[in-house]
Amino acid sequence: EVQLVESGGGLVQPGGSLRLSCAASGFTFSSFWMHWVRQGPGKGLVWVSRIKSDGSTTNYADSVKGRFTISRDNAKNTVFLQMNSLRGEDTAVYYCARAGVADSTAFDIWGQGTVVTVSS
Amino acid sequence: QTVVTQEPSFSVSPGGTVTLTCGLSSGSVSTSYYPSWYQQTPGQAPRTLIYSTNTRSSGVPDRFSGSILENKAALTIAGAQADDESDYYCVLYMGSGIWVFGGGTKLTVL
Repeated sequence: EVQLVESGGGLVQPGGSLRLSCAASGFTFSSFWMHWVRQGPGKGLVWVSRIKSDGSTTNYADSVKGRFTISRDNAKNTVFLQMNSLRGEDTAVYYCARAGVADSTAFDIWGQGTVVTVSS
Repeated sequence: QTVVTQEPSFSVSPGGTVTLTCGLSSGSVSTSYYPSWYQQTPGQAPRTLIYSTNTRSSGVPDRFSGSILENKAALTIAGAQADDESDYYCVLYMGSGIWVFGGGTKLTVL
C-alpha cells in the first residue's frame, strides 16, 4: 500500500525549532519529488516547499524562505522539514504529499498530517 | 503577489450540477498552470480529484470533470450526492517551482 506518515509535530514556543518527518512506503521513494503543504486552523491549504527526487533542488514559499529547510534521506524513504524561528502563523497541520506519477505538478498521495502549534 | 481565487461557498441540490471555478487576481488561467483539484472533508487529508486541468485521478467517479471556462479553471460535479459535501481546493503551478492554492470552496449539498 502506498502510504505517507508524518511525525514530529507538537507544541513549540515562538522562536523555537521543530523537525517534521514523513516516512514513505509502498513506492520507489527515490524516484519522486516530494512536497510539504500546511493548513492553519480553519483555513485553506498552503503550499510550503518541494524537493527533487535526488535532493538536489528545493523550492520554498516566500512565507517560510530562510526559516524552513526541506531535505530527504532516500536510504530511509523519509523527507524532512526543519522549521526554525517559528511564529504563531506557522501553527498548522503539516501534510507531506507526493508529486504525481502522471503529472509531476500535481500532488497524488497525501499523508494524514502532523499538528504544529506555536504558542507561549 | 499572485492570488488564486475561488468562490468561498456554493450550494447544490442533490442530483444537481455545480461548477466551481479557480481564477487569478491578475490574468487568465490556462492549461499552462496545470490546474489540479482536491477534495477535503473536515479532519481528513485532501484527496486528489483532477490534475492537468481535466484528468481524473484513479478511482474518481466521472461525475467529476475539469476544464477551462472563461479564463478560469473549473471543476464540475454532476449528479451531486450528499457525500460530495466537502471543501474543494484548486492549486496552480506558477512556474519556477512555486505552487499557489486557492482559498477553497465549501460545497453544501441540500
